[in-house]
Amino acid sequence: GQQLNQSPQSMFIQEGEDVSMNCTSSSIFNTWLWYKQEPGEGPVLLIALYKAGELTSNGRLTAQFGITRKDSFLNISASIPSDVGIYFCAGRNNNAGNMLTFGGGTRLMVKP
Amino acid sequence: GAVVSQHPSRVICKSGTSVKIECRSLDFQATTMFWYRQFPKQSLMLMATSNEGSKATYEQGVEKDKFLINHASLTLSTLTVTSAHPEDSSFYICSARDRTGGAPYEQYFGPGTRLTVT
Repeated sequence: GQQLNQSPQSMFIQEGEDVSMNCTSSSIFNTWLWYKQEPGEGPVLLIALYKAGELTSNGRLTAQFGITRKDSFLNISASIPSDVGIYFCAGRNNNAGNMLTFGGGTRLMVKP
Repeated sequence: GAVVSQHPSRVICKSGTSVKIECRSLDFQATTMFWYRQFPKQSLMLMATSNEGSKATYEQGVEKDKFLINHASLTLSTLTVTSAHPEDSSFYICSARDRTGGAPYEQYFGPGTRLTVT
C-alpha cells in the first residue's frame, strides 16, 4: 500500500529558530494535509494543499505541495514554545478510496 | 466550524466488559466518519470507515465483531469495543468529513478517547 516517509522523526530546537519537515511518498497524491497533535488530543488540521506546486501559509506556517505530487514540506518560522507537539503529514488519492495515509510524525520540542 | 466531539475522553473498564465511545460532528453533517487507533509515540492507524446508514468498512486485521461501529445519523457514530482485553488499551480517535456541497472537504478529528482495560 501507499506509504509516507516523514522526516525528521524528532527535532529539538531553540525558541526563535525556523523548522522544516517533509514527507515523501512512493506514489502520487491529489491532496496533502498537515496536522498538529498535542499530548492527549486529536490532530488539528493546519494546512490543506490541493494543487501541485501550491504554496500556502497559515500564520508562521508555510506548506508546499511538491511538483511531482509525491512530496510536501512544512516550515515553521520563528518557533515558540507552544509549537511543541507532533506534526503529521497526510496524503489522499481521490482515485484510491479517498482515504488519508499518514506519515509517521515529527515530534517537535522547543527550548525557551 | 468543523468541530468533532468524543465521549468519554477517558474510560477504564474491566477485562471482558464492553465500552461504547461516541463521536459527534457538532456544527456540520458528516457523511463519513473514520475510527483510528493510536499507540504511544506512533502514527494513527485507521480501523474502519463508516458511511451514514451503511455498514462500516474495516481495515485488514481489524475484527469487526470486536469493534462494532454504528453510524446511524449524519452527526453521530459510535464505536463499541466488545469483550475488552488489556491489549485493547489505546487512544481511539474519530474523524469526520464535512459534507459541504461542492467544496473540498477534509477530515476533522475528535479529541480522542483514552481506553484502559484492567
